[in-house]
Parts: sequence; C-alpha cells; structure tokens
Amino acid sequence: SAVISQKPSRDICQRGTSLTIQCQVDSQVTMMFWYRQQPGQSLTLIATANQGSEATYESGFVIDKFPISRPNLTFSTLTVSNMSPEDSSIYLCSAETLRANEQFFGPGTRLTVL
Amino acid sequence: QKEVEQNSGPLSVPEGAIASLNCTYSDRGSQSFFWYRQYSGKSPELIMFIYSNGDKEDGRFTAQLNKASQYVSLLIRDSQPSDSATYLCAVSDRGSYIPTFGRGTSLIVHP
Repeated sequence: SAVISQKPSRDICQRGTSLTIQCQVDSQVTMMFWYRQQPGQSLTLIATANQGSEATYESGFVIDKFPISRPNLTFSTLTVSNMSPEDSSIYLCSAETLRANEQFFGPGTRLTVL
Repeated sequence: QKEVEQNSGPLSVPEGAIASLNCTYSDRGSQSFFWYRQYSGKSPELIMFIYSNGDKEDGRFTAQLNKASQYVSLLIRDSQPSDSATYLCAVSDRGSYIPTFGRGTSLIVHP
C-alpha cells in the first residue's frame, strides 16, 4: 500500500483567488490522480498527473483552471485557479502502486469558496 | 461511455446480518474490480479487489465476480455498526489503469 498526505486539509478562500494543494506519497508510485467529490456524490476524475510531462485532463477540466505539476514520482500539486463558489468541493489525490490498478487515496482537501 | 451502476441506498441491515452490495458495469473488457469503503467525511479506503470469476474471501468480506453477467458484489458477514459507510465499486479494463467509480451504496448497520 501507499501512505498519502495532502496539504492543506481544508481552506476557505475568496472568489477569484487560487489555491494550491500538495500531495505527497511515501513511496514511488506509477501514477497519481486528482479527483473531486461533491458532498454525497461519487468521485470525479479531474486529471492524471504525469511525471515529467503535462497532465492528462478529463472532459470538462482544463489546464488553465486546474494546473497540475508532478516533478517526481512521489509528489504532485493541483492548483484551483480563479475560484468561484462552484469550486467548493473535496479534492482528493490518489496514487496507484506498482501492484497494478490498486489506487490509494489521500485524506482530501475540503475547499470552501465564498 | 463506461458505466458502473450501484443502488444508492441506503441499505439498512441489523447487526449480525449479511449485507449484500451489488454493482453492474457496462464494459465487457473490464478486468479489475475494486470495492472501496468511505466513511462520512473521510477518503475512500480500498478493502477488496478481485480479478477472476468466482468468490474471494477476506475476513468478513467476500467479493463475488460474474463477468458473463457483468456483475460484482460485496458480502459483509456479521455486519457491525462500524461497517456503516458508503461502499464504492470501481472497475477498470486491461487498457486503462484508471478505474471508473460507481456512485456508491450507503450501508447502515443498526444495533
């Protein structure tokens, strides 16, 4: 398994500002992902964070709004840019270990945009 | 469009009973199947995975897979109030390492 930490755990932000969420894994992993989860809803994949190259975004998500970095095999950041109240959600980082297809999740970042 | 369907529930069972959680999927090429447990306000936690047809047991949990029927289930024996959570089914195919998640089934185990 992999132990994943996220910072911050929660934040309250003003409309129009940006927030960067950090995700750290305790071991090298093949793939890292960013999800969003609205209260009572399932997980929505935002993008796959690729090490050393641009992230792969899912339909409905764009790099200008959600820039992602992954400088090495254990760390990634997600920025939520020019925030609006609709961006209020829980943002989850996950990682897939070398044991194929098993994903482990970080504790999440609860974002509230006023 | 790959789809993973789950009854949102809530499924309510008495303590000590067997809870049966079901999931169907649309992609016949699916190869890997996962069950995650998510407590309220917490992140999903992987509890079971299954790759082959049949049953796989781990403690009080049994995952059942029927690829012909495109159906995967999770049985929880001797259900405890601490099992009360949302259970997410996830499915991925051979060509993708990114699973598709269902919306989850809320389970309530009452004393």
